[in-house]
Order: sequence, then structure tokens, then C-alpha cells
Amino acid sequence: EPEVTQTPSHQVTQMGQEVILRCVPISNHLYFYWYRQILGQKVEFLVSFYNNEISEKSEIFDDQFSVERPDGSNFTLKIRSTKLEDSAMYFCASLRRPRTGTDTQYFGPGTRLTVL
Amino acid sequence: DQQVKQNSPSLSVQEGRISILNCDYTNSMFDYFLWYKKYPAEGPTFLISISSIKDKNEDGRFTVFLNKSAKHLSLHIVPSQPGDSAVYFCAANGGTSYGKLTFGQGTILTVHP
Repeated sequence: EPEVTQTPSHQVTQMGQEVILRCVPISNHLYFYWYRQILGQKVEFLVSFYNNEISEKSEIFDDQFSVERPDGSNFTLKIRSTKLEDSAMYFCASLRRPRTGTDTQYFGPGTRLTVL
Repeated sequence: DQQVKQNSPSLSVQEGRISILNCDYTNSMFDYFLWYKKYPAEGPTFLISISSIKDKNEDGRFTVFLNKSAKHLSLHIVPSQPGDSAVYFCAANGGTSYGKLTFGQGTILTVHP
């Protein structure tokens, strides 16, 4: 069964450093997402991406964040200058096509980001 | 932002009995609802969904009920099994064209043998 994969599973970085989290969505999916979950809190939407551009983003997704689909298979989330409060699990998700009655997003296993 | 709420942080059930997990929402624009199951250090796994044009959807041991007038949905698991022990998240499609999901806080289900 196709699945979303993410690398690395755990990333430790120093405050102020740049990190890139990588995801390989399901191959025939067209919409891609990043969510995060701070320990003990709910899963929060960060950004959606379609047709090589951001389609929607949350207040959390400020200028320090960017997303890219560099080669048609990978989908990346970059945090330019990490802060302590960026420590969280980051989940990538993909979806074939929304609002068709089969709006199921499939999630990757997550990357645990620890900012020291 | 409390558009999707799961008011019970935890639920404990005996094996073989019914588990009922509840979820309330406030945004009338939500029209598609999903339940995800999550184990520690793993991503959410899709369980079952329901469109707002239905009031019930069933898949094996899992049934989701939607009461639009009350803005309430519930997940029934019958019979419950110890392997069902996990965190269950209710999520709603944000009503936009791009599929953004809004999640509840989650309910920890523990099924005792």
C-alpha cells in the first residue's frame, strides 16, 4: 500500500540554525500539507501546497518557514532560523484531490524536531 | 481556536464492550469529517470518514455518526479490542478548496483485556 514517508525521523538542532524536513508524498496525490504537533497539544495545520504554490497557510507559517517541491517527488519544509518553540513533531500529509467525497489525507510518520 | 473539540481527554473500556468517542464542532462550513488513530511517535492513521450529506458511515467495527443540527459526531467501536488502545483524533475539512484539516485535541482510549 502506498504511504507517505518522511526523513529524518528525529532532527536535533541549535537555536538559530536552518533545518529542512523532507517528505515523499504518495505518488498520484496532488495536494500536500505540513502539520505540526507540539508535545501535549493538538495537531495544527501549517500549510497546503498545490500546483507548485502555497494554497493556504496558517498564522504559524511566518516568514521563517518555506515549502518547496524541488523535483516532483520530494516535498520539503524549511525553517530558516529555528527557535526553541519550533520543537515539535512535524507531519507531512498528501491528498489525491479534495472535495470529491474522498477527502482523505494520508499522513507520514513524522519528524521530531528538537531545538536546543 | 476551538473549532473542533473533543471534551473527553481519556476513555477506558473493557475488551468486548462498546467505545464511544465524541467530537463537537462550531464551524458551519465544515462538510467532511474524519477520525484518525495515533500511536506515540507515529503519524495519524486514517480510520473512517463521513460527508455532511450522510448521518452514518460504517466500516467493520467502526461506525461514525453525524448530527449536523447539534454539530456533533461520534465514533463507535464495537467490539473494542486491546489493540484499539491509542489516541483518537477527530478532524474536519476546513470548508476551503484545499483540504486543510482542523483537529480536535484527541481522546486517549484504553481498552482493558
